[in-house]
Parts: sequence; C-alpha cells; structure tokens
Amino acid sequence: NAGVIQTPRHKVTGKGQEATLWCEPISGHSAVFWYRQTIVQGLEFLTYFRNQAPIDDSGMPKERFSAQMPNQSHSTLKIQSTQPQDSAVYLCASSLGGTGGVRKTLYFGSGTRLTVL
Amino acid sequence: AQSVTQPDARVTVSEGASLQLRCKYSYFGTPYLFWYVQYPRQGLQLLLKYYPGDPVVQGVNGFEAEFSKSNSSFHLRKASVHWSDWAVYFCAFQGTGSKLSFGKGAKLTVSP
Repeated sequence: NAGVIQTPRHKVTGKGQEATLWCEPISGHSAVFWYRQTIVQGLEFLTYFRNQAPIDDSGMPKERFSAQMPNQSHSTLKIQSTQPQDSAVYLCASSLGGTGGVRKTLYFGSGTRLTVL
Repeated sequence: AQSVTQPDARVTVSEGASLQLRCKYSYFGTPYLFWYVQYPRQGLQLLLKYYPGDPVVQGVNGFEAEFSKSNSSFHLRKASVHWSDWAVYFCAFQGTGSKLSFGKGAKLTVSP
C-alpha cells in the first residue's frame, strides 16, 4: 500500500497563475480531505468528499479555490490567480467512508508545498 | 465550540528523559481524539487514536496517551525520548462529522 500520494511535491507559480494540486487516495478509501498548513494559521480544513461527492467545503476560500473528485482514484485542488498569501503546504488525506456518525481514521499524504512569487 | 488546545508550543527534553505533551479538548459529548506526528518536510503520521473505551491507548514507537473526561484532556507520554522523536506533534479532535480539527502543534526538540 503506497499510502496517499500527492503530486507535485513542490510547485512554484508566479502571482496570477493557476496551480493544480493532485491527490491519489489509498485504494479502497472513499473519503478524501484537503487541508492547508501555514506557520501562522496551522492546519486548516478546506474541504472533503465522500464517494466522490462534496460533503463539506466550509473551509474553502470563496474565491479562486475549487476542488473536484472526478473518480475514486484521484482528487484535485485548483487555485486560480494565485496570490502570495496562498503559499502553504497543502495536505490531502483519505479514510474509509464513515456514515451515520461512524468516525474513521484519516491518513495523510506528504503534501504539496506551493510557493507563489 | 468544539476544539483542542495544545498549551505548549515548544518543548525541549533531554534524550532518554520522559516526555508529556498536553492536549485539552472542548466538546460536550465524547470526543474521538488523535495524536499525529510530523517530521521535517513530511506529512502527518498517526501515532495513536482514542475511540471511546479504555482511557489509556498505546501507539507506535513507545508512545501512549491517556484520556480524562474529568480533566477534558488527552495527554501524550513517552517514557524515554530518542533523538529521532524530534518533530512536531499535533493533537486532533473528530466530532460527529468526519473531519479533524487540529491544535496548533507542539515542536519537540531533543537535546543530547
């Protein structure tokens, strides 16, 4: 089991450019989560999917950020018109899908470090 | 509000000494609690988890944690710290939804 795979490990973009981050969850996991990590804010929840459907996007910035899960084997986080304040480590996690209040453990990838110049 | 608090942002321990990292939670019901570790330039790795049951849970690499409902705490402990434990440790809370809410983390430094 390779664990959660995130690509690329590092991405540098110029201000105003688009950035797309990729996540491949653990095989058999039906829930995918995205988090952002910065020194100042710590670990912030962005969004999550269960069985490819968006369940909670309460942490997503209203503008420029979007996430998709077109199939069970990958999810993408897209940031349009990147700004320096978007610089962060973006972490993806997956879990077995818990429903009806059943909680499952999250397993994290190594993250994508985004630097916006 | 549902949350976890890690009161000690930085902790320094001598190699071979014991360690305790504190975590306090705020939640009306019975929380599901986790400790994760983050080594430099890596993602989060699960150390241990508490699902309602035995208050003392064992994790990897000799770590354990004890849940206390009366103190609203979930402190992490290790009897003898090794230099390889140098990392950042996060306490996390999982409420009725599936997402985790994290504390600010505790950066552990191990001195020789």
